[in-house]
Amino acid sequence: SYELTQPSSVSVFPGQTARITCSGDILAKKYGRWFQQKPGQAPVLIIYKDNERPSGIPERFSGSTSGTTVTLTIIAARVEDEADYYCYSTADNKGVFGGGTKLTVL
Amino acid sequence: QVQLVQSGAEVKKPGASVKVSCKASGYIFTGYYIHWVRLAPGQGLEWMGWINPNNDDTYYARKFQGRVTMTSDTSISTAYMELSSDDTAVYYCARERDDILAFDMWGQGTMVTVSS
Repeated sequence: SYELTQPSSVSVFPGQTARITCSGDILAKKYGRWFQQKPGQAPVLIIYKDNERPSGIPERFSGSTSGTTVTLTIIAARVEDEADYYCYSTADNKGVFGGGTKLTVL
Repeated sequence: QVQLVQSGAEVKKPGASVKVSCKASGYIFTGYYIHWVRLAPGQGLEWMGWINPNNDDTYYARKFQGRVTMTSDTSISTAYMELSSDDTAVYYCARERDDILAFDMWGQGTMVTVSS
């Protein structure tokens, strides 16, 4: 199926590790990407090809994959990391986003 | 530098269509697909489709087929998305890079408000 499922919200304290999962059958064969979106701003690519980080993205952001799930990990989360996070993948010319996860860094 | 600049906010009446532009600069426009994505209030990002400016091939998400038209004008490095929809949303264009298979550059977004 072309659906990607994320938790609607994740909360951590500053300095803790945040993990956001994204599950979907297409992830077994296709790459996952992750985007960060803050209110009023365009999305920003933070992970591509499951676990690659674009230049300029802090090392505390990392991606991993296992079976039909990709995971975004934020080590030592900061207040400024509070945002909506979306996974994304493609198959047969179609794109699909996960429903998004609101990360709260309390 | 590489950037995508979109047209300004629009207010439209129910049933009317809207056309959003996305002007590219700083790179070879025909070398990259342009995708369109929207964000409706209280909702998540939604992929709408893509256009290949090199040959005007398009692909639309099933939900928008028959209601959306994506075009491009290579002479002015601009992509367009025209939509017949009564959905208030922010519409984004995004450039897809082949080597990383991801959207590395986004427009600033265009707010389209539907109001009678």
